[in-house]
Amino acid sequence: GENVEQHPSTLSVQEGDSAVIKCTYSDSASNYFPWYKQELGKRPQLIIDIRSNVGEKKDQRIAVTLNKTAKHFSLHITETQPEDTAVYFCAANSGGGADGLTFGKGTHLIIQP
Amino acid sequence: DVKVTQSSRYLVKRTGEKVFLECVQDMDHENMFWYRQDPGLGLRLIYFSYDVKMKEKGDIPEGYSVSREKKERFSLILESASTNQTSMYLCASSFGSTHHNSPLHFGNGTRLTVT
Repeated sequence: GENVEQHPSTLSVQEGDSAVIKCTYSDSASNYFPWYKQELGKRPQLIIDIRSNVGEKKDQRIAVTLNKTAKHFSLHITETQPEDTAVYFCAANSGGGADGLTFGKGTHLIIQP
Repeated sequence: DVKVTQSSRYLVKRTGEKVFLECVQDMDHENMFWYRQDPGLGLRLIYFSYDVKMKEKGDIPEGYSVSREKKERFSLILESASTNQTSMYLCASSFGSTHHNSPLHFGNGTRLTVT
């Protein structure tokens, strides 16, 4: 099955600085890579996703990059704000999509004012 | 907006009890999922279903079963609850058929405590 590794487990950055979270996956058939944000006590919510036919996708302050050869993808948040404080999860679909989504263990991002 | 509703926010059960966790979605999604979330372990897939009466094992199905009699409803069953099943349980749904490449929409979760 798919194995998704996520680093770091905790990341503390100053407000206004950038944050980068990295994930690797093992299944070369994976073709869909979403990122979820979970604020304290709330449900995970999709913030951005990327499919294997593109290398980068941006949405305002958030961007995701994908390197299929190296089997890794990253989340980039620029100009961080206090409301970015949350746990972020990366995920990859297993078996080309037939086996559901496998999640990383999560990164607790803390924005220091 | 997609709504995924889990019947209970908090649940306390005794060891050995049979426990039902219910989930309903209102967007006519084909796919439904049950995850459990534990600190430091992320979200782990228990079971999923991509059609009525269909079910597939996820990564940690032991001790659980599921039921999908109607498209909008997906139930997680703990046949005999044990203390190591104390956890946050998250239900999710997504559009599509057997290939999972569309966003998941999560419910608010059920925090189950087994004593």
